[in-house]
Amino acid sequence: EPEVTQTPSHQVTQMGQEVILRCVPISNHLYFYWYRQILGQKVEFLVSFYNNEISEKSEIFDDQFSVERPDGSNFTLKIRSTKLEDSAMYFCASSVPGSNQPQHFGDGTRLSIL
Amino acid sequence: QKEVEQNSGPLSVPEGAIASLNCTYSDRVSQSFFWYRQYSGKSPELIMSIYSNGDKEDGRFTAQLNKASQYVSLLIRDSQPSDSATYLCAVTGGATNKLIFGTGTLLAVQP
Repeated sequence: EPEVTQTPSHQVTQMGQEVILRCVPISNHLYFYWYRQILGQKVEFLVSFYNNEISEKSEIFDDQFSVERPDGSNFTLKIRSTKLEDSAMYFCASSVPGSNQPQHFGDGTRLSIL
Repeated sequence: QKEVEQNSGPLSVPEGAIASLNCTYSDRVSQSFFWYRQYSGKSPELIMSIYSNGDKEDGRFTAQLNKASQYVSLLIRDSQPSDSATYLCAVTGGATNKLIFGTGTLLAVQP
C-alpha cells in the first residue's frame, strides 16, 4: 500500500539554526499538509498546500516557517531560526483531490531543539 | 475557535468488551469526521471516516455520527490488548479540509 514518507525520522538541531523536514506524499495525491504535535499535546494544523501554493495556514505558521514543493515528488517544511518551543513531532499528510477525502500521515519527524 | 472535545481518559476495558469513545465538535458546518489511532510515539493511523448521520461499520469498528447533537463516536467490539492506543477524533474545517483534532482518548485494554 502506498504511504507517505518522511525524512529524517529524528533531527537534533541547535537553537537558532535552520532545519528542513522532507516529505514524499503518495504519488496520486494533490493536497499536502503539515501538522505538528508537541509532546503530550494535540495534533495541530500548520499549513495546507495545493497547486504549488499555500491554500491555508494557521496562526502557528508565521514568517519562521515556509513550505516548498521543489520537484514533482518532495514536499518540504523549512523552519528558520529555530526556538526551543519548536521541539515537536512534525507530520506530513496528503490526500487525493475532492472534499471529504481522508488524509494519510507519514511516520513523522521528531525535531529536538537544544 | 473551532474545537473538538474528547475525554482524555484513560478508558480501561477488559479484553473482549466493547470500548466506546466519544467526541463533540463545535463547528456546525463540519462535513467530514475521522477517527485516527495513535500508538505512543507514532503517527496517526486512519481507522474510520464518516460523513452522514447514522452508523458506519468496518470490521470490529463502528462509527456513529449525529450532526444535530454535533457528536461522533467510535465503538470497538471484542477489544484486544493491541487496540490499546490513543484514539483521535478529527473534523474537517475550512475550505482546504484541514483536520482539527481533539486531544485524544487513551484506551487501555486489559488482558
